[in-house]
Amino acid sequence: VQMTQSPSYLAASPGESVSISCKASKSISNNLAWYQEKPGKANKLLIHSGSTLQSGTPSRFSGSGSGTDFTLTIRSLESEDFAVYYCQQYNEYPDTFGAGTKLELK
Amino acid sequence: EVKLLESGGGLVQPGGSLRLSCAASGFTFTDFYMSWIRQPPGKAPEWLGVIRNKANGYTTEYNPSVKGRFTISRDNTQNILYLQMNTLRAEDTAIYYCARRGGIFDYWGQGVMVTVSS
Repeated sequence: VQMTQSPSYLAASPGESVSISCKASKSISNNLAWYQEKPGKANKLLIHSGSTLQSGTPSRFSGSGSGTDFTLTIRSLESEDFAVYYCQQYNEYPDTFGAGTKLELK
Repeated sequence: EVKLLESGGGLVQPGGSLRLSCAASGFTFTDFYMSWIRQPPGKAPEWLGVIRNKANGYTTEYNPSVKGRFTISRDNTQNILYLQMNTLRAEDTAIYYCARRGGIFDYWGQGVMVTVSS
């Protein structure tokens, strides 16, 4: 299953809201996760099952979608949110990841 | 606290072999699927494979891109996950991560760099 993530880059300011899209090449039900990557830190699971927040994920993060179209939304950006975000499907082997979205400070 | 610590990376010549280890702590190792994922510099992660838990007979699944060259195993007495990599190619150059669970990777290690070059 190919995962197409957009945009590749996103510039925003603290306090703004942003959305990242992830589209699967075929239906994956809600078997989608979102991860955050930051330099020097282990990758962090944010959301699984399309919209379920992992324990410890701030409530300003939300996920939506099912089938082929998914969205990660971050409301009221904080400085710690500037990172790279990946979607990943686990509906069928091999698990596959999107190419990533780099969220940068404007 | 869940901890995953990879080791064994380094520089290897094309055609060579390398075995990576992932020391796990802070959870009951045998209860969990364990996975390997790699990420070439500046690129997206690539899932390599998974080894299931005790309840599922420690069976394995692999990405077709590495099947036959890479082997995942685990030492359940020492809580160590392994990735044996054979016939390495330049395109295997990446940071290699172990992760807890299959599908939903709830904890990742910090990763270890593997460089395949002559």
